Amino acid sequence: GAVVSQHPSWVICKSGTSVKIECRSLDFQATTMFWYRQFPKQSLMLMATSNEGSKATYEQGVEKDKFLINHASLTLSTLTVTSAHPEDSSFYICSARDWERTHEQYFGPGTRLTVT
Amino acid sequence: GENVEQHPSTLSVQEGDSAVIKCTYSDSASNYFPWYKQELGKGPQLIIDIRSNVGEKKDQRIAVTLNKTAKHFSLHITETQPEDSAVYFCAASRGSSAGNKLTFGGGTRVLVKP
Repeated sequence: GAVVSQHPSWVICKSGTSVKIECRSLDFQATTMFWYRQFPKQSLMLMATSNEGSKATYEQGVEKDKFLINHASLTLSTLTVTSAHPEDSSFYICSARDWERTHEQYFGPGTRLTVT
Repeated sequence: GENVEQHPSTLSVQEGDSAVIKCTYSDSASNYFPWYKQELGKGPQLIIDIRSNVGEKKDQRIAVTLNKTAKHFSLHITETQPEDSAVYFCAASRGSSAGNKLTFGGGTRVLVKP
C-alpha cells in the first residue's frame, strides 16, 4: 500500500514551452500533496504545498505564476512548469500525505525535466 | 524556520560494519523525525521514523535515536550490506501546526564496500 506515482518519469522540452507533471496517490486519499525540487547531489527543497480544493501554498522564492499547481481531486495533483527555461531543468518529486491512516508522507519516483 | 544539519556528507564502510548518520535541528517545536533512503534516479523511501515522545526505535538492522534536549537524532545501520548503498536524508517536521511540512538535511551518501 501507500503508493505514489508520477507521470511522466522524464521529459525533454524546448525553452518557452510548458510541461505538466502529474502526481497520483494510488491506494489512499491525500488532501495534501507536496512538490519538491532536487538538483544533482543536493537535498530536496520544498516548492509548494498542494491542498485539495484550494490554492497551493508556495515557499518563499518560488514563483507561483511559473509553477502552477492544481489539486483537483483527493488522488491527483499537477505541477505545470510554464515558459520553461534551461535553469528549470531539475528532478521534481511529489509526496502525498495519507491523512486517514498513517499520516505519513509517501514520495513519488520523481520526474526528470530537461529544458533545451 | 527549521534548519536541519546532517553529517557526514559521505560515508564509506566495509560490508558488515555499522554506519551512523547524525542530524541536528533548530526548532524545538519539531516533533516528527523521519529518515529516507534515496537510490539513484528514484524518489525517497521512508525507512524509519521517530516521534518526540520516544527516545529510540529499532527495525531489524536500522535504529534511530532522538535526544530532544540536545536537538539531535541519529540513524544507525548495523551489519551493512552492499544494497544499503544510497543517499540517506533525515528530516524534521512540526506536524500539523506547520502544515506537515518536512525540512530535509543535506543528505549522506553511503557506500558499502563488499
